[in-house]
Amino acid sequence: QQQVKQSPQSLIVQKGGISIINCAYENTAFDYFPWYQQFPGKGPALLIAIRPDVSEKKEGRFTISFNKSAKQFSLHIMDSQPGDSATYFCAASKRGGTSYGKLTFGQGTILTVHP
Amino acid sequence: NAGVTQTPKFQVLKTGQSMTLQCAQDMNHNSMYWYRQDPGMGLRLIYYSASEGTTDKGEVPNGYNVSRLNKREFSLRLESAAPSQTSVYFCASSVTSGGAGDTQYFGPGTRLTVL
Repeated sequence: QQQVKQSPQSLIVQKGGISIINCAYENTAFDYFPWYQQFPGKGPALLIAIRPDVSEKKEGRFTISFNKSAKQFSLHIMDSQPGDSATYFCAASKRGGTSYGKLTFGQGTILTVHP
Repeated sequence: NAGVTQTPKFQVLKTGQSMTLQCAQDMNHNSMYWYRQDPGMGLRLIYYSASEGTTDKGEVPNGYNVSRLNKREFSLRLESAAPSQTSVYFCASSVTSGGAGDTQYFGPGTRLTVL
């Protein structure tokens, strides 16, 4: 059962353009939504994260938009650069119980930024 | 400070062989995780250890066993490898357990091929 669905699978953007990756979740108990960035041959690393008490979080060129009623969140990369070419994963987790901070990941999006 | 280290980096096995993937972290984290990454599937949790002395199943535990040797080390064992276990395996750790919002730090991965 895929509780976090991510789209698109792959994305090609020109340098300077905006990259947008979308995720939808099913479990309303989720209350933490991070995005991880993975370069080829490396492990994923946290890029930016949001909690559902805010609708948007911005860090430099990276912004998360969150829509609690629609159970959707998205990553926007402004002024995309070739160095942003990587695989991006959205994820979700919930507090308490036996969750122990377990993350449920989306399927991943391979982003290619052409110079 | 090496973070999360994994050995080996690459491994080729024949069907039915066994092996152990090693993981260690030097960040004094309580929680550790094992994931597998397959194309189009994202990262799927195999097993996790909320704290030293405890382990629990994740989303895809069949065919695997784990040992939390001490606070630093968390190993993953394949008793009888199958071609379906061909994947890239990542170990991760986080500061604490029981609450959402802890950043998971990933190792560089082990690329396993089962013939």
